[in-house]
Amino acid sequence: TQTVSQSDAHVTVFEGDSVELRCNYSYGGSIYLSWYIQHHGRGLQFLLKYYSGNPVVQGVNGFEAEFSKSDSSFHLRKASVHWSDSAVYFCAVSASSGSWQLIFGSGTQLTVMP
Amino acid sequence: GPKVLQIPSHQIIDMGQMVTLNCDPVSNHLYFYWYKQILGQQMEFLVNFYNGKVMEKSKLFKDQFSVERPDGSYFTLKIQPTALEDSAVYFCASSADRGNTEVFFGKGTRLTVV
Repeated sequence: TQTVSQSDAHVTVFEGDSVELRCNYSYGGSIYLSWYIQHHGRGLQFLLKYYSGNPVVQGVNGFEAEFSKSDSSFHLRKASVHWSDSAVYFCAVSASSGSWQLIFGSGTQLTVMP
Repeated sequence: GPKVLQIPSHQIIDMGQMVTLNCDPVSNHLYFYWYKQILGQQMEFLVNFYNGKVMEKSKLFKDQFSVERPDGSYFTLKIQPTALEDSAVYFCASSADRGNTEVFFGKGTRLTVV
């Protein structure tokens, strides 16, 4: 059974700060890991995905995520946040074979203060 | 960029009635999905659909739920009859392929069953 855990329900930072949003997963096989952003009242927008290769994946708008097999983690980072980054961020996992549904974490609400 | 359109954005319906949620997926996409999000909670997988068939469904996809995409038109989610616990935001998504590919989400339809 695949599970995705986002330990922080809320993260608040100031504009220009760096931020790390945490994601841990549990799955025994080969998987895809991704991050999505959901602005208030909107659908999910894709940020980035990892399957293999370089464990640091670059995404849109200056976001990156780092895969760690030893920690079963895929944390999302941004060096300098903008107020428009305020949104809910979802980590997701999907299997590379068999089931192809996305399993989402519970989300982290990021609030960027001016 | 590519967009998934969902119609309507809001729907209020009496318990026991039938409702159909419509989704216009990204053109040339072949894989389609419905997800359910209760307010403030995580996105949960309902069903995926390919080549005219349901490929996977979760336990949330009750017998009252059905999906179809007749003749390449809208990808629809029908609930008949509706129950109070069906109140949620339903997100449609599509992708060109399964696996290592981006999944595009619509803005969601907020369904309120009264």
